Amino acid sequence: DAGVIQSPRHEVTEMGQEVTLRCKPISGHDYLFWYRQTMMRGLELLIYFNNNVPIDDSGMPEDRFSAKMPNASFSTLKIQPSEPRDSAVYFCASGVTSALGTDTQYFGPGTRLTVL
Amino acid sequence: AQKVTQAQTEISVVEKEDVTLDCVYETRDTTYYLFWYKQPPSGELVFLIRRNSFDEQNEISGRYSWNFQKSTSSFNFTITASQVVDSAVYFCALSEMNRDDKIIFGKGTRLHILP
Repeated sequence: DAGVIQSPRHEVTEMGQEVTLRCKPISGHDYLFWYRQTMMRGLELLIYFNNNVPIDDSGMPEDRFSAKMPNASFSTLKIQPSEPRDSAVYFCASGVTSALGTDTQYFGPGTRLTVL
Repeated sequence: AQKVTQAQTEISVVEKEDVTLDCVYETRDTTYYLFWYKQPPSGELVFLIRRNSFDEQNEISGRYSWNFQKSTSSFNFTITASQVVDSAVYFCALSEMNRDDKIIFGKGTRLHILP
């Protein structure tokens, strides 16, 4: 089975441009997570969904960031307008509900974003 | 608040040596999951193990072993007879089952295995 799929793998853009990152979770998983990884801050949870519904977006840095999950097999993370400090690797992860909450999270390969 | 501390930011050992990566966690809950993930130089995050708080039995998988001790809130990871391919950043993580569904990651330990 395919794992979590993310696109693009690399994105270079100029400050002020809109950036859209895409994620396809593992089929059957009902949780989807967006993370950001930087050298300074490590891995940060930005937002997560359960059954396509956003549950917690407290990690989203500011209003320039938005995420959607229109169906169980697709999610987007959008940055508009982008800034150089948004440069990072963005990971998407999916997981499945266990009796006591989410089970293991499986990560996609990440999107390396560079904002010039 | 939940917290995961990996005090070792970077470790270097010579190939074939054993190495232990420390992980100490804080949680108010009695039910929780602990995880280890590996991030090799290629960048992907690879799941290694999940342990729930009810199961303190240590686990061994090949050259990898994990020592879970609730008394000291530690979940340490040992690689026996290390190999160059073990070079990576290793993350310990915690999820409180009954509070929310977040996983909180430690800062990671960068492991260098020298040939």
